[in-house]
Amino acid sequence: DSGVTQTPKHLITATGQRVTLRCSPRSGDLSVYWYQQSLDQGLQFLIQYYNGEERAKGNILERFSAQQFPDLHSELNLSSLELGDSALYFCASSVGAGTGGEQYFGPGTRLTVT
Amino acid sequence: AQSVTQLDSQVPVFEEAPVELRCNYSSSVSVYLFWYVQYPNQGLQLLLKYLSGSTLVKGINGFEAEFNKSQTSFHLRKPSVHISDTAEYFCAVSLSGGGYNKLIFGAGTRLAVHP
Repeated sequence: DSGVTQTPKHLITATGQRVTLRCSPRSGDLSVYWYQQSLDQGLQFLIQYYNGEERAKGNILERFSAQQFPDLHSELNLSSLELGDSALYFCASSVGAGTGGEQYFGPGTRLTVT
Repeated sequence: AQSVTQLDSQVPVFEEAPVELRCNYSSSVSVYLFWYVQYPNQGLQLLLKYLSGSTLVKGINGFEAEFNKSQTSFHLRKPSVHISDTAEYFCAVSLSGGGYNKLIFGAGTRLAVHP
């Protein structure tokens, strides 16, 4: 158990809908990361937040947005969902913001868009 | 831009045999290197990382990796595998010295250990 929690574990929704994925980092960690794992794209970095501020952005679609709240939990919002958004979404956390620090991964949320 | 190539998508091996999972990276700047393992239906777990210093890095579960700057490689090895090592292994890089911590992953290598 990494100490990172993600809810829900599974989510099934229809095209065009909007969903929110939630992540609670390990106690004491200030950075939260979101990654997408799909069969065709592999594991891709989406975004990093550090203490409430956006720190780095990857290939995150404009239909996707994220935020980190004052209690340090984070939410990833996915809107106008398409079939291709079906994937496993991982949240990770680390103590600091900088490179080299170990990232602890949650169990993931499996999103299925039908 | 950085990229990671894992040369084998699948590696079958018998229990107690040695194994090497290959990873090459491409970057015009210094990077840090990582190996993560993903067991079925679980998140990723860090096996080991190279930041600086000795090029031979030891990790958890008996794994080790060697950083080779001239060949831009970071191959993962284990002298004797167990059935429980069956999992997907990911090599990853991140920029060294950056104020952020973006991991770029390879496509993964599925290690299947047979009795």
